[in-house]
Amino acid sequence: QKEVEQDPGPLSVPEGAIVSLNCTYSNSAFQYFMWYRQYSRKGPELLMYTYSSGNKEDGRFTAQVDKSSKYISLFIRDSQPSDSATYLCAMNSNTGKLIFGQGTTLQVKP
Amino acid sequence: GAVVSQHPSWVICKSGTSVKIECRSLDFQATTMFWYRQFPKQSLMLMATSNEGSKATYEQGVEKDKFLINHASLTLSTLTVTSAHPEDSSFYICSARDLIRDTKNKGYTFGSGTRLTVV
Repeated sequence: QKEVEQDPGPLSVPEGAIVSLNCTYSNSAFQYFMWYRQYSRKGPELLMYTYSSGNKEDGRFTAQVDKSSKYISLFIRDSQPSDSATYLCAMNSNTGKLIFGQGTTLQVKP
Repeated sequence: GAVVSQHPSWVICKSGTSVKIECRSLDFQATTMFWYRQFPKQSLMLMATSNEGSKATYEQGVEKDKFLINHASLTLSTLTVTSAHPEDSSFYICSARDLIRDTKNKGYTFGSGTRLTVV
């Protein structure tokens, strides 16, 4: 079993839709949870960061962490074509190593 | 914000030759750099962790003699793929950690990646 599981998609939605992306994990030591966005042939860029359980909102993006269920989510409201990218969840404990999910490819159609 | 420059962005080389990829932190000191490999439509797989002035720590299954990592300064780490073969073709990405800004274990800045094609 992988430490972090993420549905690779692809996910295709119309412009303006609400997008829900999810990851599950098995390591209860994970405390830091991140979502990265990666455009084709580019390095990942940090989108959202959450420490421990809870919600965090930044503009159209909301990140949720449920440590009891070992489940994290990223919601994108009013999705735009420019949101089309691969979204990777990542997490770590205090080891310093980021463990990534497989990434979900999202396409937002105008 | 923190910027990491990775060079070259793409390279084609002949089988059996070596290729060096550079990763520079432009506006911060990176005591730790990470090297990842990413296959198409797959996640980033950590290859090694590089600490300035010491030997890199390789993940299980990564050949240290094939993927040479040097982190000689606080702003530069290099990955050399030695005697490259077509199966080494991949997207290589570095990440640098800014321990001054990284108060909550989130200060990972990624380079833009290097697409290596071995023919």
